[in-house]
Amino acid sequence: EVQILETGGGLVKPGGSLRLSCATSGFNFNDYFMNWVRQAPGKGLEWVAQIRNKNYNYATYYAESLEGRVTISRDDSKSSVYLQVSSLRAEDTAIYYCTSRSYWGQGTLVTVSS
Amino acid sequence: DVVLTQTPVSLSVTLGDQASISCRSSQSLEYSDGYTYLEWYLQKPGQSPQLLIYEVSNRFSGVPDRFIGSGSGTDFTLKISRVEPEDLGVYYCFQATHDPLTFGSGTKLEIK
Repeated sequence: EVQILETGGGLVKPGGSLRLSCATSGFNFNDYFMNWVRQAPGKGLEWVAQIRNKNYNYATYYAESLEGRVTISRDDSKSSVYLQVSSLRAEDTAIYYCTSRSYWGQGTLVTVSS
Repeated sequence: DVVLTQTPVSLSVTLGDQASISCRSSQSLEYSDGYTYLEWYLQKPGQSPQLLIYEVSNRFSGVPDRFIGSGSGTDFTLKISRVEPEDLGVYYCFQATHDPLTFGSGTKLEIK
């Protein structure tokens, strides 16, 4: 059974930072490109970042709205992917989903508020 | 950035009828390898999105054959034949051909 579990969300003050983690199991993690996608309250889906697999030299790609403030990384030995987000703003408040696109986690809520 | 324009914004369908959603791209979504990385997702109320269709017309594992994706270039369609109650939710198209990857703004399917 495929499992994807995001952790690390919570309440953070504007200007703060967070590291989101995503632990996976049940599929061949090493073969997949992994993504973070977010959804602000009552809004649509927004792609945030992608990290490719070893065959593609772990290349990373970012949404322009977040570029410079986010870093995606992965640890194939742990079947895990991470998202570091800094200089957080109120508009970063959202559920952050970890996804291979075939499989999705339940998301972790990040709330940016003073 | 590639803009995906979905129409309609919302759709009210009688059970058993067909629903059709359009997704138009501001650029061709055919990649240099010959594949077209256009996907469709459904987000049911209170749930995470789920993949329905990848590479325009391929149904993901377990997706009923009532879901049919078609199109090419910049013009794509998702048809749902014989709509069932579990089909309600918001449908999104998504492109992974061009960086940055982008979603359409969504189409909300309601049951009459």
